[in-house]
Amino acid sequence: HLQLQESGPGLVKPSETLSLTCTVSGDSIKNKNYYWGWIRQPPGKGLEWIGSIYYTGTTYENESLKGRVTLSVDTSKNQMSLKLTSVTAADTATYYCARRGTSGISSAYFDFWGQGSLVAVSS
Amino acid sequence: SSELTQDPGVSVALGQTVTITCRGDSLTGKYGTWYQQRPGQAPLLVIYGQNNRPSGIPDRFSGSTSGTTASLTITAAQAEDEADYYCHSRDNYGQNIFGPGTKVTVL
Repeated sequence: HLQLQESGPGLVKPSETLSLTCTVSGDSIKNKNYYWGWIRQPPGKGLEWIGSIYYTGTTYENESLKGRVTLSVDTSKNQMSLKLTSVTAADTATYYCARRGTSGISSAYFDFWGQGSLVAVSS
Repeated sequence: SSELTQDPGVSVALGQTVTITCRGDSLTGKYGTWYQQRPGQAPLLVIYGQNNRPSGIPDRFSGSTSGTTASLTITAAQAEDEADYYCHSRDNYGQNIFGPGTKVTVL
């Protein structure tokens, strides 16, 4: 039974770096069929994709966040991590990690999600 | 950059059928993906690919995509279907895009 669990500080000061870890259980993060992604949701708002990473380290990031986002994977711990630099109040959100699969080349989907980690940016 | 548009909200009478739509250029040649999100919960995948439902998703949920429009249909809507629904696609540059969401109210 696949489970993803986000962990990290719930409060980050403005201009500092937000760091979150996602621990995967029930599947190997080295599963060749999947990427692993981060998605966030500001309070009361919609979903925003942050980026995705493959176990080899290949990454895709949201162009609107590029330059601030660093994704990494630790296959020995079956974990992936997110770092978001120079945060502001606009980065306050629930951050989800999720497994991303594809159905051929014509469909991408996030089929398993963590419960989410609320991160507030405030001094 | 690409974007997806959705109607903000729609209502459906209990037991009736509702279709919600998602539009965007990134859907051309692709299939839209749909998620259900109830308050306080993580999103739940309900439709992906041509019209695939993950295990445990009722068959009253169905999807289709034509041109730049993806649609999610809930046939014989139940009270527990009241939720926000988000569409999702990936463009040709590897960018994953979510629509703004449609709030479905079951009357």
